[in-house]
Amino acid sequence: DQQVKQNSPSLSVQEGRISILNCDYTNSMFDYFLWYKKYPAEGPTFLISISSIKDKNEDGRFTVFLNKSAKHLSLHIVPSQPGDSAVYFCAASVTGNQFYFGTGTSLTVIP
Amino acid sequence: DAGITQSPRHKVTETGTPVTLRCHQTENHRYMYWYRQDPGHGLRLIHYSYGVKDTDKGEVSDGYSVSRSKTEDFLLTLESATSSQTSVYFCAITRRANTGELFFGEGSRLTVL
Repeated sequence: DQQVKQNSPSLSVQEGRISILNCDYTNSMFDYFLWYKKYPAEGPTFLISISSIKDKNEDGRFTVFLNKSAKHLSLHIVPSQPGDSAVYFCAASVTGNQFYFGTGTSLTVIP
Repeated sequence: DAGITQSPRHKVTETGTPVTLRCHQTENHRYMYWYRQDPGHGLRLIHYSYGVKDTDKGEVSDGYSVSRSKTEDFLLTLESATSSQTSVYFCAITRRANTGELFFGEGSRLTVL
């Protein structure tokens, strides 16, 4: 059973606008959450993370929000750029021992 | 660049043949992982290692075995490949189990006919 879910397989956004990618999880024991970005024919690359003791973490254009009561995680990219077009995976772990990944959301930023 | 090399990058094989994928790291990380990526499933953990000769199963370990005789190498073996093992395989490393940041290799695309 999928413990981390990304219910939107794809998302299209105009350049300069905000991209919001969502992720839900079922295991309340998860205490560390991450987002990865993947281009075709490459390995995933780490983007941003958040610990369960926080509800927001920001790094440049990327902000991750965590709502523990809703078991919901979101990644905001603003402003979106064409180079952000990729597949985004969210992941969760219990103290980093085993990472569970979502199925990914393909983001297309339209110039 | 986390210094991970996967080989081979592409392989086509026939059902029933053995296949070994190699992950080599140059940074002496303790923890190494093998994932597979499939449409509709995301990335799923096959096996991982927390040191030389210390390995454990992930969520989709059936049909796979691993070995780690040296810190820098983590091998994934399909003893008798099946078509359901057609996938893209990624190796990942991390310095500590609780850092939460995995560094991935570029992937090995395996096709089992």
